[in-house]
Amino acid sequence: SQTIHQWPATLVQPVGSPLSLECTVEGTSNPNLYWYRQAAGRGLQLLFYSVGIGQISSEVPQNLSASRPQDRQFILSSKKLLLSDSGFYLCAWSRGGVETQYFGPGTRLLVL
Amino acid sequence: GEDVEQSLFLSVREGDSSVINCTYTDSSSTYLYWYKQEPGAGLQLLTYIFSNMDMKQDQRLTVLLNKKDKHLSLRIADTQTGDSAIYFCAESKGNNNDMRFGAGTRLTVKP
Repeated sequence: SQTIHQWPATLVQPVGSPLSLECTVEGTSNPNLYWYRQAAGRGLQLLFYSVGIGQISSEVPQNLSASRPQDRQFILSSKKLLLSDSGFYLCAWSRGGVETQYFGPGTRLLVL
Repeated sequence: GEDVEQSLFLSVREGDSSVINCTYTDSSSTYLYWYKQEPGAGLQLLTYIFSNMDMKQDQRLTVLLNKKDKHLSLRIADTQTGDSAIYFCAESKGNNNDMRFGAGTRLTVKP
């Protein structure tokens, strides 16, 4: 069976510090991978998606970037965090061509 | 852009049925989903329905789709306190990046 992991679970970072959130998927190969942000009381905003190693598409201009160094690894990064980057970050995967997405447990980021 | 809308809150008594409603605007949506998010956790896929179906039942869950009115509902029979969570409606056309989520309905189940 497939599982998706995210870490850390919770992170408190000062404004201006760098960020690296990691997501890994097990039990499948060549998944589509997604990063979402969920602001408090709001729906999910798609930030990035990837259909393969090194292939990243950005949905919204922002302070964040994503990378996919390995088939089942997806990383969300920032060089300098802003207060507005606070939120709940969710990674998801899906099989190519079938859109049902399966979500990880999420990382709660608080920027102070 | 295309929208998915849900009411933000629903409160029911334990043992009653819950009905969570969702409307969407994209008539070319192919897949419609319900996800559940428990406090501090990620989203769990509950069920999904293809746009050529009217209804899907899975144990205590019943999904109804009115494609003409672009209205999707999730009925939870015999609601339990463990059903308290945020429920997200989502739709997509089956492409890589076109999945759109509603803001979520917070279901509170009172004993």
